[in-house]
Amino acid sequence: GAVVSQHPSWVICKSGTSVKIECRSLDFQATTMFWYRQFPKQSLMLMATSNEGSKATYEQGVEKDKFLINHASLTLSTLTVTSAHPEDSSFYICSALPTGYGYTFGSGTRLTVV
Amino acid sequence: GIQVEQSPPDLILQEGANSTLRCNFSDSVNNLQWFHQNPWGQLINLFYIPSGTKQNGRLSATTVATERYSLLYISSSQTTDSGVYFCAVLYTGGFKTIFGAGTRLFVKA
Repeated sequence: GAVVSQHPSWVICKSGTSVKIECRSLDFQATTMFWYRQFPKQSLMLMATSNEGSKATYEQGVEKDKFLINHASLTLSTLTVTSAHPEDSSFYICSALPTGYGYTFGSGTRLTVV
Repeated sequence: GIQVEQSPPDLILQEGANSTLRCNFSDSVNNLQWFHQNPWGQLINLFYIPSGTKQNGRLSATTVATERYSLLYISSSQTTDSGVYFCAVLYTGGFKTIFGAGTRLFVKA
């Protein structure tokens, strides 16, 4: 149990376009999900906390207008990278905290903006 | 905020060797987890261990919360153990998980 599914696994997009990444809890309900970003050979940095039915909480330095987060249901959170630019290329990972399991992560999305 | 330090930053082992990875943290924690990130980027939860000792096959972990450190033991290492090992903590009174910088492990055949 306690599986988090993330899609797509990888995406290439043109500069200026928007990309949506989905994060689903498959066998549990998640009122809160977390979005991380990881640059090559670096650790994971928390971008924002996604709250079902309310606004996301963004970490300092993260542009909320560029990284739109929607948590419309208890099993789905989405991250939309708007007007993507090459510097947005990164590995994005979501996670949730199912009761009794500790943090569980999705498989990640590798975004390349060309 | 809480500081999480992992050592060593890099480690090269010969297949079959044993190793110990360390995670120090600067404040009280409610939760500590060890993850393995494979070469494809996927994070695998190894241990959920805010205190005490746990074992799972060739891996074991010990957290001494009062002294603010945790250790991950890998015995009889295999090439498939290669990757990055992260320690992540949820500090007391907080709601965010903070990751250490990781230990990059390469196991040679």
